[in-house]
Amino acid sequence: QVQLQESGPGLVKPSQTLSLTCTVSGGSISSGDYYWSWIRQPPGKGLEWIGYIYYSGSTYYNPSLKSRVTISVDTSKNQFSLKLSSVTAADTAVYYCAIHTDWFDPWGQGTLVTVSS
Amino acid sequence: QSVLTQPPSASGTPGQRVTISCSGSSSNIGSNYVYWYQQLPGTAPKLLIYRNNQRPSGVPDRFSGSKSGTSASLAISGLRSEDEADYYCAAWDDSLSGHYVFGTGTKVTVL
Repeated sequence: QVQLQESGPGLVKPSQTLSLTCTVSGGSISSGDYYWSWIRQPPGKGLEWIGYIYYSGSTYYNPSLKSRVTISVDTSKNQFSLKLSSVTAADTAVYYCAIHTDWFDPWGQGTLVTVSS
Repeated sequence: QSVLTQPPSASGTPGQRVTISCSGSSSNIGSNYVYWYQQLPGTAPKLLIYRNNQRPSGVPDRFSGSKSGTSASLAISGLRSEDEADYYCAAWDDSLSGHYVFGTGTKVTVL
Protein backbone atom coordinates (compact mmCIF):
# COMPACT_ATOMS: atom_id res chain seq x y z
CA GLN A 1 0.00 0.00 0.00
CA VAL A 2 1.38 3.35 -1.04
CA GLN A 3 2.10 5.82 1.75
CA LEU A 4 3.05 9.49 1.54
CA GLN A 5 4.90 11.68 4.04
CA GLU A 6 5.35 15.44 3.88
CA SER A 7 8.46 17.13 5.25
CA GLY A 8 9.90 20.62 5.38
CA PRO A 9 10.24 23.76 7.51
CA GLY A 10 7.30 24.57 9.75
CA LEU A 11 8.02 28.30 9.75
CA VAL A 12 8.65 30.55 6.77
CA LYS A 13 9.14 34.30 6.75
CA PRO A 14 6.88 36.56 4.68
CA SER A 15 8.08 37.15 1.10
CA GLN A 16 10.25 34.02 1.20
CA THR A 17 9.72 30.71 -0.58
CA LEU A 18 7.96 27.78 1.07
CA SER A 19 9.55 24.43 0.20
CA LEU A 20 8.10 21.01 1.00
CA THR A 21 8.88 17.46 -0.05
CA CYS A 22 6.62 14.43 -0.24
CA THR A 23 8.30 11.05 0.12
CA VAL A 24 6.49 8.08 -1.39
CA SER A 25 6.86 4.57 0.01
CA GLY A 26 5.30 1.26 -0.96
CA GLY A 27 5.15 2.21 -4.61
CA SER A 28 7.13 3.95 -7.35
CA ILE A 29 6.44 7.43 -8.69
CA SER A 30 7.95 6.19 -11.96
CA SER A 31 5.22 3.56 -12.40
CA GLY A 32 3.20 6.14 -14.27
CA ASP A 33 0.00 4.90 -12.65
CA TYR A 34 -0.85 8.17 -10.91
CA TYR A 35 -0.50 11.89 -10.76
CA TRP A 36 0.93 13.40 -7.58
CA SER A 37 -0.83 16.38 -6.01
CA TRP A 38 -0.43 19.03 -3.37
CA ILE A 39 -3.45 20.31 -1.43
CA ARG A 40 -3.58 22.79 1.45
CA GLN A 41 -5.94 23.68 4.27
CA PRO A 42 -5.68 26.94 6.26
CA PRO A 43 -6.38 26.45 9.98
CA GLY A 44 -10.09 26.02 10.55
CA LYS A 45 -10.88 26.42 6.86
CA GLY A 46 -11.54 24.33 3.76
CA LEU A 47 -9.36 22.55 1.23
CA GLU A 48 -7.59 24.09 -1.76
CA TRP A 49 -5.95 22.09 -4.56
CA ILE A 50 -2.53 23.50 -5.47
CA GLY A 51 -1.47 21.38 -8.43
CA TYR A 52 -0.14 18.04 -9.64
CA ILE A 53 2.84 16.49 -11.38
CA TYR A 54 3.31 13.34 -13.44
CA TYR A 55 6.45 11.22 -13.20
CA SER A 56 7.58 12.61 -16.56
CA GLY A 57 7.67 16.09 -15.04
CA SER A 58 4.56 17.48 -16.67
CA THR A 59 2.64 19.73 -14.29
CA TYR A 60 -0.74 21.36 -13.89
CA TYR A 61 -1.40 24.14 -11.40
CA ASN A 62 -4.43 25.83 -9.87
CA PRO A 63 -4.80 29.06 -11.89
CA SER A 64 -5.20 31.04 -8.65
CA LEU A 65 -1.69 30.03 -7.51
CA LYS A 66 0.02 29.34 -10.83
CA SER A 67 2.26 32.41 -10.78
CA ARG A 68 3.86 31.39 -7.47
CA VAL A 69 3.88 27.57 -7.59
CA THR A 70 6.47 25.11 -8.82
CA ILE A 71 6.05 21.35 -8.39
CA SER A 72 8.96 19.08 -9.29
CA VAL A 73 9.73 15.36 -9.12
CA ASP A 74 12.83 13.36 -8.24
CA THR A 75 12.19 9.79 -9.37
CA SER A 76 15.59 8.61 -8.06
CA LYS A 77 14.49 9.52 -4.53
CA ASN A 78 10.82 8.66 -5.09
CA GLN A 79 9.89 12.18 -4.03
CA PHE A 80 8.04 15.16 -5.36
CA SER A 81 8.29 18.71 -4.10
CA LEU A 82 6.39 21.97 -3.78
CA LYS A 83 7.77 25.48 -3.91
CA LEU A 84 5.51 28.46 -3.24
CA SER A 85 7.13 31.86 -3.64
CA SER A 86 6.41 35.27 -2.13
CA VAL A 87 4.44 33.83 0.75
CA THR A 88 2.20 35.86 3.05
CA ALA A 89 0.24 35.03 6.18
CA ALA A 90 -2.58 33.84 3.91
CA ASP A 91 -0.37 30.90 2.90
CA THR A 92 -0.33 29.56 6.46
CA ALA A 93 -1.90 26.13 6.18
CA VAL A 94 -1.56 22.40 6.59
CA TYR A 95 -0.05 21.16 3.34
CA TYR A 96 -0.95 17.66 2.16
CA CYS A 97 0.45 15.55 -0.62
CA ALA A 98 -1.78 12.93 -2.21
CA ILE A 99 -2.05 10.43 -5.02
CA HIS A 100 -4.26 11.86 -7.75
CA THR A 101 -6.23 9.71 -10.14
CA ASP A 102 -9.73 11.01 -10.69
CA TRP A 103 -9.72 11.50 -6.94
CA PHE A 104 -7.24 12.01 -4.14
CA ASP A 105 -6.35 8.84 -2.27
CA PRO A 106 -4.36 8.23 -0.18
CA TRP A 107 -3.21 11.44 1.48
CA GLY A 108 -0.15 12.13 3.59
CA GLN A 109 -0.70 13.11 7.20
CA GLY A 110 -0.07 16.77 6.40
CA THR A 111 2.43 19.31 7.67
CA LEU A 112 1.64 22.72 9.14
CA VAL A 113 3.52 25.64 7.63
CA THR A 114 3.23 28.98 9.38
CA VAL A 115 4.20 32.20 7.62
CA SER A 116 5.42 34.67 10.19
CA SER A 117 8.35 36.95 10.85
CA GLN B 1 -12.24 30.41 -3.34
CA SER B 2 -14.66 27.47 -2.95
CA VAL B 3 -17.17 27.36 -5.76
CA LEU B 4 -19.04 24.37 -4.34
CA THR B 5 -21.45 25.41 -1.59
CA GLN B 6 -22.28 23.18 1.37
CA PRO B 7 -24.23 23.88 4.55
CA PRO B 8 -21.79 24.66 7.36
CA SER B 9 -23.32 22.15 9.72
CA ALA B 10 -25.63 19.16 10.00
CA SER B 11 -26.59 17.00 12.94
CA GLY B 12 -28.55 13.98 14.00
CA THR B 13 -28.97 11.45 16.74
CA PRO B 14 -27.52 7.94 16.51
CA GLY B 15 -29.42 5.85 13.98
CA GLN B 16 -30.84 8.82 12.10
CA ARG B 17 -30.27 9.69 8.46
CA VAL B 18 -28.37 12.88 7.64
CA THR B 19 -28.06 14.43 4.20
CA ILE B 20 -25.46 16.97 3.08
CA SER B 21 -25.94 19.01 -0.07
CA CYS B 22 -23.30 20.34 -2.46
CA SER B 23 -24.31 23.03 -4.93
CA GLY B 24 -22.17 23.87 -7.94
CA SER B 25 -22.54 24.97 -11.54
CA SER B 26 -22.48 23.72 -15.10
CA SER B 27 -18.69 23.97 -15.25
CA ASN B 28 -18.10 21.62 -12.32
CA ILE B 29 -20.81 19.33 -10.95
CA GLY B 30 -22.93 19.80 -14.04
CA SER B 31 -20.30 18.27 -16.31
CA ASN B 32 -17.96 16.23 -14.11
CA TYR B 33 -17.93 13.58 -11.43
CA VAL B 34 -18.43 14.45 -7.76
CA TYR B 35 -16.29 13.10 -4.94
CA TRP B 36 -16.78 13.18 -1.18
CA TYR B 37 -14.13 13.22 1.53
CA GLN B 38 -14.42 12.65 5.26
CA GLN B 39 -12.03 14.45 7.59
CA LEU B 40 -12.00 13.19 11.16
CA PRO B 41 -10.70 15.65 13.78
CA GLY B 42 -6.95 16.19 13.49
CA THR B 43 -6.49 13.86 10.53
CA ALA B 44 -6.08 14.04 6.78
CA PRO B 45 -9.15 13.77 4.57
CA LYS B 46 -10.15 10.32 3.40
CA LEU B 47 -11.95 9.39 0.18
CA LEU B 48 -15.55 8.44 0.95
CA ILE B 49 -17.35 8.46 -2.41
CA TYR B 50 -15.93 8.60 -5.92
CA ARG B 51 -17.56 9.15 -9.34
CA ASN B 52 -20.83 10.42 -7.82
CA ASN B 53 -21.95 7.28 -6.03
CA GLN B 54 -19.18 4.68 -5.81
CA ARG B 55 -17.79 3.56 -2.47
CA PRO B 56 -14.13 2.57 -2.09
CA SER B 57 -13.42 -0.74 -0.47
CA GLY B 58 -13.87 -0.48 3.27
CA VAL B 59 -16.38 2.37 3.28
CA PRO B 60 -19.63 1.22 4.92
CA ASP B 61 -22.76 1.14 2.77
CA ARG B 62 -24.31 3.58 5.26
CA PHE B 63 -22.66 6.24 3.11
CA SER B 64 -24.20 6.97 -0.28
CA GLY B 65 -23.78 9.66 -2.89
CA SER B 66 -26.00 11.04 -5.61
CA LYS B 67 -25.92 13.77 -8.23
CA SER B 68 -28.59 15.64 -10.14
CA GLY B 69 -27.85 18.49 -12.49
CA THR B 70 -25.53 20.95 -10.78
CA SER B 71 -26.03 19.57 -7.26
CA ALA B 72 -24.93 16.53 -5.35
CA SER B 73 -25.74 14.96 -2.01
CA LEU B 74 -24.11 12.72 0.54
CA ALA B 75 -26.38 10.67 2.78
CA ILE B 76 -25.35 9.00 5.99
CA SER B 77 -27.87 6.47 7.23
CA GLY B 78 -27.79 4.81 10.63
CA LEU B 79 -25.68 7.67 11.99
CA ARG B 80 -22.94 6.60 14.40
CA SER B 81 -20.77 8.58 16.80
CA GLU B 82 -17.68 7.85 14.72
CA ASP B 83 -19.29 9.68 11.78
CA GLU B 84 -18.74 13.00 13.55
CA ALA B 85 -16.39 14.75 11.15
CA ASP B 86 -16.07 17.36 8.44
CA TYR B 87 -17.29 16.35 4.98
CA TYR B 88 -16.16 17.94 1.71
CA CYS B 89 -17.49 17.53 -1.79
CA ALA B 90 -15.14 18.02 -4.74
CA ALA B 91 -15.17 18.11 -8.52
CA TRP B 92 -13.11 19.15 -11.50
CA ASP B 93 -14.08 22.59 -12.79
CA ASP B 94 -13.71 23.25 -16.51
CA SER B 95 -13.38 27.04 -16.13
CA LEU B 96 -10.05 28.91 -16.11
CA SER B 97 -8.37 26.13 -18.14
CA GLY B 98 -9.55 23.60 -15.58
CA HIS B 99 -8.85 23.05 -11.92
CA TYR B 100 -10.00 20.92 -9.01
CA VAL B 101 -12.42 22.55 -6.58
CA PHE B 102 -13.60 21.57 -3.12
CA GLY B 103 -16.79 22.41 -1.30
CA THR B 104 -16.96 24.73 1.69
CA GLY B 105 -17.27 21.78 4.06
CA THR B 106 -19.98 20.53 6.42
CA LYS B 107 -19.42 19.69 10.06
CA VAL B 108 -21.56 16.71 11.06
CA THR B 109 -22.36 16.46 14.75
CA VAL B 110 -23.82 13.36 16.36
CA LEU B 111 -26.09 14.52 19.18
